[in-house]
Amino acid sequence: NAGVTQTPKFRVLKTGQSMTLLCAQDMNHEYMYWYRQDPGMGLRLIHYSVGEGTTAKGEVPDGYNVSRLKKQNFLLGLESAAPSQTSVYFCASRHNAGRETQYFGPGTRLLVL
Amino acid sequence: AQTVTQSQPEMSVQEAETVTLSCTYDTSESDYYLFWYKQPPSRQMILVIRQEAYKQQNATENRFSVNFQKAAKSFSLKISDSQLGDAAMYFCAYRSAGIWDNNDMRFGAGTRLTVKP
Repeated sequence: NAGVTQTPKFRVLKTGQSMTLLCAQDMNHEYMYWYRQDPGMGLRLIHYSVGEGTTAKGEVPDGYNVSRLKKQNFLLGLESAAPSQTSVYFCASRHNAGRETQYFGPGTRLLVL
Repeated sequence: AQTVTQSQPEMSVQEAETVTLSCTYDTSESDYYLFWYKQPPSRQMILVIRQEAYKQQNATENRFSVNFQKAAKSFSLKISDSQLGDAAMYFCAYRSAGIWDNNDMRFGAGTRLTVKP
């Protein structure tokens, strides 16, 4: 049982390049989330999904797209990376029952030059 | 929208002593959850303790306990017998319990805790 895993752990991009971050969970969770963490600002929600085939915008969705084709995977895409997207990205998941705890992945550090 | 405020960017404590981290939040809802997460240098987010708003009793987990004041919208974390391994960034978080919401979490900006030997 690996929990929530994220790929890659670290990546450097040039402005304008694209990339996809992969989040996978093996706990059969319905809800999945993508957050970004910037210094002094805590975590902010980018996009989320309440089930396979569904996605929705969070607090800071601009410049990102997501897909949830399979229940266990949640992909975060950057079509044209900008230096403002330099951040640490966290994926999280949980069951859809209200009392359930949210589990986080180890994070992906992204540097956009 | 709900907001979470941690007014202490940094705190320090002597090993074996007690420290309290502060958190306040703003919400118009009556049913919600509150959490404290620990983030060590590894960056992994680790759940320390959680509190359901409908419970009057304060949650405790070994050396960690909370002081939940619903009317004041305050949720502080007390760490007793501090250990070197407690040094980390601590985040307070809020989550709505409503079924109409996506139930995402709102985080405070964090408090960096240093433990002195």
